[in-house]
Amino acid sequence: DIVMTQTPLSSPVTLGQPASISCRSSQSLLHRDGNTYLSWLQQRPGQPPRLLIYKISNRFSGVPDRFSGSGAGTDFTLKISRVEPEDVGVYYCMQATQFPYTFGQGTKLEIK
Amino acid sequence: EVQLVQSGAEVKKPGESLKLSCKGSGYSFTSHWIGWVRQMPGKGLEWMGIIYPGDSDTRYSPSFQGQVTISADKSISTAYLQWSSLKASDTAMYYCARHVSGDIDYWGQGTLVTVSS
Repeated sequence: DIVMTQTPLSSPVTLGQPASISCRSSQSLLHRDGNTYLSWLQQRPGQPPRLLIYKISNRFSGVPDRFSGSGAGTDFTLKISRVEPEDVGVYYCMQATQFPYTFGQGTKLEIK
Repeated sequence: EVQLVQSGAEVKKPGESLKLSCKGSGYSFTSHWIGWVRQMPGKGLEWMGIIYPGDSDTRYSPSFQGQVTISADKSISTAYLQWSSLKASDTAMYYCARHVSGDIDYWGQGTLVTVSS
């Protein structure tokens, strides 16, 4: 199985300041079809997860442009340019390049 | 509008069987993989497996292979997750989710399963 490792596991941030979460995979997520199936999900308290970013850097419909994704191969980053109160929650990276699909452990974003 | 509507919360005893459902609407149910994800209390997300309703091709995570069965009835646009004999450790929230080219784009609201004697 591909292991997904996120850092940090907890991130206290100040409103209006940027935040960054890293995700590293145990092997390259480049699929033989040329795509890299790395996505980022947000789970607010008491809610199901929702898709933020897919294929490394594509924002899903309705996702604010303060969220951005980057990376390649085995190293990926989610950035929030200016943290808003509604961004509080747990963020997960997920790989869908190889079965079984796997998630990172989650990073809890909280306001200082 | 794409929607995945899951069945309601369940309280069961160890050893009982259970079948959860997930009804898709607003899209072509037979053309997209549907997966199941477990979230144990206070923990992260675990990918369990996936089914393609068009031909019932099913893949399981090794962690869940043999522990659960994933199925689908395309005539009613519904996917299922079932257990033949529940354990207390199956207590968790279970989500169904639509996969598009691998990535999950839409999630069900979740079904809380509590297994307790």
